[in-house]
Amino acid sequence: KQEVTQIPAALSVPEGENLVLNCSFTDSAIYNLQWFRQDPGKGLTSLLLIQSSQREQTSGRLNASLDKSSGRSTLYIAASQPGDSATYLCAVDQTGANNLFFGTGTRLTVIP
Amino acid sequence: DAGVIQSPRHEVTEMGQEVTLRCKPISGHNSLFWYRQTMMRGLELLIYFNNNVPIDDSGMPEDRFSAKMPNASFSTLKIQPSEPRDSAVYFCASSRGLALTDTQYFGPGTRLTVL
Repeated sequence: KQEVTQIPAALSVPEGENLVLNCSFTDSAIYNLQWFRQDPGKGLTSLLLIQSSQREQTSGRLNASLDKSSGRSTLYIAASQPGDSATYLCAVDQTGANNLFFGTGTRLTVIP
Repeated sequence: DAGVIQSPRHEVTEMGQEVTLRCKPISGHNSLFWYRQTMMRGLELLIYFNNNVPIDDSGMPEDRFSAKMPNASFSTLKIQPSEPRDSAVYFCASSRGLALTDTQYFGPGTRLTVL
């Protein structure tokens, strides 16, 4: 079964810093990988989706990369802001599984 | 649009009782998803529907769980009988497309506590 791991579980940074969140998965046979944001007490909001054939996707201050062969993805957040504080989850759409496999998330706190 | 609507927002029940969670997807969306989130297991996809038809329920933990979608604007997730280990936040999401990774819009969730 696909296992998705996110390290660290929590991260605190001062405002303005650039940061990287990590996601690793055990089975490289994936269609795509998504990054989500979850605010406390809320559902998930999709941030970026990378197809298995792509290396990276960018949206504003966010950049997600994918190295399928090594089972890794990173989410880079530039010039972090307090409003970026949330839990960030990655999810893998595995080939033939009809399911999304989620990591346990990284809780980010950006300190003003 | 009001977004995905879930009810109740909070449910506290005793072990052995039947629990029914409700979801109204965004109008015009063709797919509906039920998720469970716990501290121990994270977020898990339980079941999803395309055009009211269940596509994959392999994520449903056991036979005590069942989900229905009688029409395009309503779905239920039922647990019978409930157990303390079912305590979690249950999310419903909907998307316009039929693929798993079409943009999903999440509801606010139902926090279930089984005593």
